[in-house]
Amino acid sequence: DAGVIQSPRHEVTEMGQEVTLRCKPISGHNSLFWYRQTMMRGLELLIYFNNNVPIDDSGMPEDRFSAKMPNASFSTLKIQPSEPRDSAVYFCASSFSVRNEQFFGPGTRLTVL
Amino acid sequence: KNQVEQSPQSLIILEGKNCTLQCNYTVSPFSNLRWYKQDTGRGPVSLTIMTFSENTKSNGRYTATLDADTKQSSLHITASQLSDSASYICVVMAGGTSYGKLTFGQGTILTVHP
Repeated sequence: DAGVIQSPRHEVTEMGQEVTLRCKPISGHNSLFWYRQTMMRGLELLIYFNNNVPIDDSGMPEDRFSAKMPNASFSTLKIQPSEPRDSAVYFCASSFSVRNEQFFGPGTRLTVL
Repeated sequence: KNQVEQSPQSLIILEGKNCTLQCNYTVSPFSNLRWYKQDTGRGPVSLTIMTFSENTKSNGRYTATLDADTKQSSLHITASQLSDSASYICVVMAGGTSYGKLTFGQGTILTVHP
């Protein structure tokens, strides 16, 4: 298996634009997690899904952020409109279940100008 | 408030030496504690997951300990190598009605010099 796949790896956009980050989890994994990492705040869990259903989205900063998982092999994290303070590295991770080891993707480095 | 505190914030050691990183937490109820290694520019990689009943768990040169009574964990690295230079993150998962909720430490940045 290729591991967790994220795209794009880098994204530079202007304030106010819509940004969509994509994630393909490891095949067979039932749980998917979206994280954000910054120097100031460290690693933060934004939302996680179990069997394609959002379980806990309490980490989503505000209504500008939304996440979907239409099927077991694909998830998106959307920011609309984007702001400079959204600049961070966004990681997607997957696991067999919530309690199991999580495997992280390479991350998407987002820069909002 | 659930918190995870790691110490030291950063550490520099010479290749071949041992070191110990600390993690104290206040998360309750407790489900499990995880240590991750994150190389610069890459995603975190899981080193160990420890539940309430586990006191020690090893993964090669990495040994994690857990004292659920004092809510403390440590990660011991033996015979350090240059490739151990990374950020080490302690994460605690809550149990009970908050099952699955993760609280992250800020990480310890380890630098191993030749």
